[in-house]
Amino acid sequence: EVQLVESGGGLVQPGGSLRLSCAASGFTFGSYWMSWVRQAPGKGLEWVANIKQDGGEENYVGSVKGRFTISRDNAKNSLYLQMNSLRAEDTGLYYCARDWGHYFRFRYYYYGMDVWGQGATVTVSS
Amino acid sequence: QSVLTQPPSASGTPGQRVTISCSGSSSNIGSNSVNWYQQLPGAAPRLLIYSNNQRPSGVPDRFSGSKSGTSASLAISGLQSEDEADYYCAAWDDSMRVFGGGTKLTVL
Repeated sequence: EVQLVESGGGLVQPGGSLRLSCAASGFTFGSYWMSWVRQAPGKGLEWVANIKQDGGEENYVGSVKGRFTISRDNAKNSLYLQMNSLRAEDTGLYYCARDWGHYFRFRYYYYGMDVWGQGATVTVSS
Repeated sequence: QSVLTQPPSASGTPGQRVTISCSGSSSNIGSNSVNWYQQLPGAAPRLLIYSNNQRPSGVPDRFSGSKSGTSASLAISGLQSEDEADYYCAAWDDSMRVFGGGTKLTVL
C-alpha cells in the first residue's frame, strides 16, 4: 500500500525549532519530487516547499524562506522539514505529499500531489 | 489573500450540476496546468483533476475540469451528499505552487 506517515509535530514556543519527518512506503521514494503543504486551523491549503528526487533542487514559499529547510534521505525513504524561528502564524497541520509527474525530453511534466499523509500538527504558542 | 481566487461557498441539491470557478493570472493558470483537490471533513486532500481536465483513476466521471485563459472551472454533475467538501484549485506560479482559497460545497 502506498503510504506517507508524518511525525514530529508538537507544541513549541515562538522562536523555537521543530523537525517534521515523513516516512514513505509502497513506492519508489527516490523517483518522486516531494512536497510539504500546511493548513492553518480553519483555513485553506498552503504549499510550503518541495524537493527534487536527488535532493538537488529545493523550492520554498516566501514566508518560510531562510527559516525552513526541506531535505530527504532516499536510503531511508524519508522526507524532512526542519523549521526554525517559528512564529504563531506557522501553526497548523503539515502534510507530506508525493508530487506526481514525469520527465520527457528534458522537461518535467507535473500532474499533481497524488498521495498525502494524514498530517502532523504544529502549534507555536507561548 | 490567495493568489488564485475561488468563491468561498457553493451549494446544490442532489442530482444537480454545480460549477466552481478559479481565477488566476498569466503567471500561473495562464501558463501552467491546473489541479483540483477535494478535502472531505477531517481528511487529507485528494487529487481530483490534473492537467486541467484529466481524472486520476478512481475519480468518478461526474467530476470534470476545464481551463480557458487565466481561469479554470470544476464541474460536478449528479451531485451527491458525499460530495460535500472543500475544493481547492492549484497551479504553478514560477517555481512556487499556489492554491486557491478553497470553496466549501454544501449539498442541500
